[in-house]
Amino acid sequence: AQSVTQPDIHITVSEGASLELRCNYSYGATPYLFWYVQSPGQGLQLLLKYFSGDTLVQGIKGFEAEFKRSQSSFNLRKPSVHWSDAAEYFCAVAPVLGGGYNKLIFGAGTRLAVHP
Amino acid sequence: DSGVTQTPKHLITATGQRVTLRCSPRSGDLSVYWYQQSLDQGLQFLIQYYNGEERAKGNILERFSAQQFPDLHSELNLSSLELGDSALYFCASSPRTDTQYFGPGTRLTVL
Repeated sequence: AQSVTQPDIHITVSEGASLELRCNYSYGATPYLFWYVQSPGQGLQLLLKYFSGDTLVQGIKGFEAEFKRSQSSFNLRKPSVHWSDAAEYFCAVAPVLGGGYNKLIFGAGTRLAVHP
Repeated sequence: DSGVTQTPKHLITATGQRVTLRCSPRSGDLSVYWYQQSLDQGLQFLIQYYNGEERAKGNILERFSAQQFPDLHSELNLSSLELGDSALYFCASSPRTDTQYFGPGTRLTVL
């Protein structure tokens, strides 16, 4: 069965420091890959997605992610964190179906705290 | 703002009751998806509708049902509610099977 693992439940970084959130997936082929962010009391906002092509993907708010097939990973990075980045981050995979997909399978999330 | 609207924002009800959650997708989006976010299960896919037809089913209980209407809005019906049904219910929409845009969610509390 497909699954997503986010090994870090909580991460705390200082403002201005770099960030890397880990995501590993289990799937027979290359799925579609996503990172979403959820601020307190808010819905999920798409940060970036990988369908195919260049394995380094740029997203909104200065985030990027790198797909590594050999490691079944899709880690999210940001070079310099801002206090407003404090939120919960979800990695998700979607099994590919005939060029599209339907359901998203989410990891448990990583809660990011930012110290001033 | 994703363009997906959900009503109500909060819902408090009692065990055994039935509730209906409503979702209006982004303009032009044909697909609607429902997800449940709970503390113990995390974010789980429930069901997908595409242009009025059910397309995919996930971990949706038999007590739950959904439909998508001709104007493309969708409703999720939850019946015989139990304490464990307390959760945040999200609706998402997409044009076909592309990027899913999530609504703000409906927080259901079952007392």
